[in-house]
Amino acid sequence: QKEVEQNSGPLSVPEGAIASLNCTYSDQGSQSFFWYRQYSGKSPELIMFIYSNGDKEDGRFTAQLNKASQYVSLLIRDSQPSDSATYLCAVILKGNNRLAFGKGNQVVVIP
Amino acid sequence: DADVTQTPRNRITKTGKRIMLECSQTKGHDRMYWYRQDPGLGLRLIYYSFDVKDINKGEISDGYSVSRQAQAKFSLSLESAIPNQTALYFCATSGQGYGYTFGSGTRLTVV
Repeated sequence: QKEVEQNSGPLSVPEGAIASLNCTYSDQGSQSFFWYRQYSGKSPELIMFIYSNGDKEDGRFTAQLNKASQYVSLLIRDSQPSDSATYLCAVILKGNNRLAFGKGNQVVVIP
Repeated sequence: DADVTQTPRNRITKTGKRIMLECSQTKGHDRMYWYRQDPGLGLRLIYYSFDVKDINKGEISDGYSVSRQAQAKFSLSLESAIPNQTALYFCATSGQGYGYTFGSGTRLTVV
């Protein structure tokens, strides 16, 4: 099993809709979880982090964490064309304390 | 100035040449990382360093070497470049338990 999995293909959403991204992880001891946004050819940019079960909201972004199910999600409300990017889920592994990344999900917001 | 600076931004080199990619950071963090990113493969860890005297191999260290010259400087070398090392390379830094801050990347082409 991969350390961090993002299995959904490209996601197309109309402008103003909600984009929902999912991520699962294998290390039960992981405590820190992150979402990065990456525009094509640019570096990843941290947009959300979450450490506790439940929801964490920051502007139009909401991260959701369920440690029992080893599941992290990101919701983007009122999606804008500027949200079109690849979103990377990342988890700090307890064993070696380094960050493991999923392969990312591409989001395309259609005006 | 950027928190993490990578040089060069772009480089074209010939097969067999030695090349060094440099990274410096002003975050004051102890931890530094080198990743490569290829389409469809996500971010893959090459080497990481948790302090000046600590160097660790990542998932794909073959063909690469690193030097941690100071807390703020971490360079990546390709001793004899080959075409399949053509990729986008990112340096990153982090504090313990926190998300990573990435440099702007180096686009390397080996011909």
